[in-house]
Amino acid sequence: EVQLVQSGAEVKKPGDSLKISCKGSGYSFTTYRIGWVRQMPGKGLEWMGIIYPDDSGTRYNPSFQGLVTISVDKSISTAYLQWSSLKASDTAMYYCARRVDLWNTYDYWGQGTLVTVSS
Amino acid sequence: DIQMTQSPSSLSASVGDRVTITCRASQSISSYLNWYQQKPGKAPELLIYAASILQSGVPSRFSGSASETDFTLTISRLQPEDFATYYCQQSYSTPQTFGGGTKVEIK
Repeated sequence: EVQLVQSGAEVKKPGDSLKISCKGSGYSFTTYRIGWVRQMPGKGLEWMGIIYPDDSGTRYNPSFQGLVTISVDKSISTAYLQWSSLKASDTAMYYCARRVDLWNTYDYWGQGTLVTVSS
Repeated sequence: DIQMTQSPSSLSASVGDRVTITCRASQSISSYLNWYQQKPGKAPELLIYAASILQSGVPSRFSGSASETDFTLTISRLQPEDFATYYCQQSYSTPQTFGGGTKVEIK
């Protein structure tokens, strides 16, 4: 069974750093890209970027370029999303999802990680 | 970036109704259009990809169609479990933008 399991909810202060994770199982992790999607409270979905686990190649949404870093450790089938200095506006639910290359569609999603940034 | 304009932003419907949601791309995206359903507190789930192909396990009352840059999601007979928010997404080019969402509520 394909699963993407994300790390638990986080409560941080502005200026803190953070790295959240997404662990894939039940499939060949290096074969499928992993994307990250943000959902701010009460709002829609925003595509942040994507990584190819086999070579760690990344593509970012220009709106998020330089604000977050997407990485991967293929030895443990885990992708990461990290911030070096959080802002209150980073408060959101973050989802990882597996992308199928044929139509670039996202067929399996993690359960989401809620990040709350508050002083 | 390709803009995806989804309408309506919300609608009220009754069980058994036929519901149509539309999504317009700002440029040609071929058939690289996906539809997702999201229920409160849950992750999105894939319903349709390539504009009209039903994801495995999705009920046949859901269907998708395309006409150039206009895409449609139709629910033929709304069921209680279909009350949710629906998003389109273009997967033609990065950033893979989403529409603003359509919340389907109970009338």
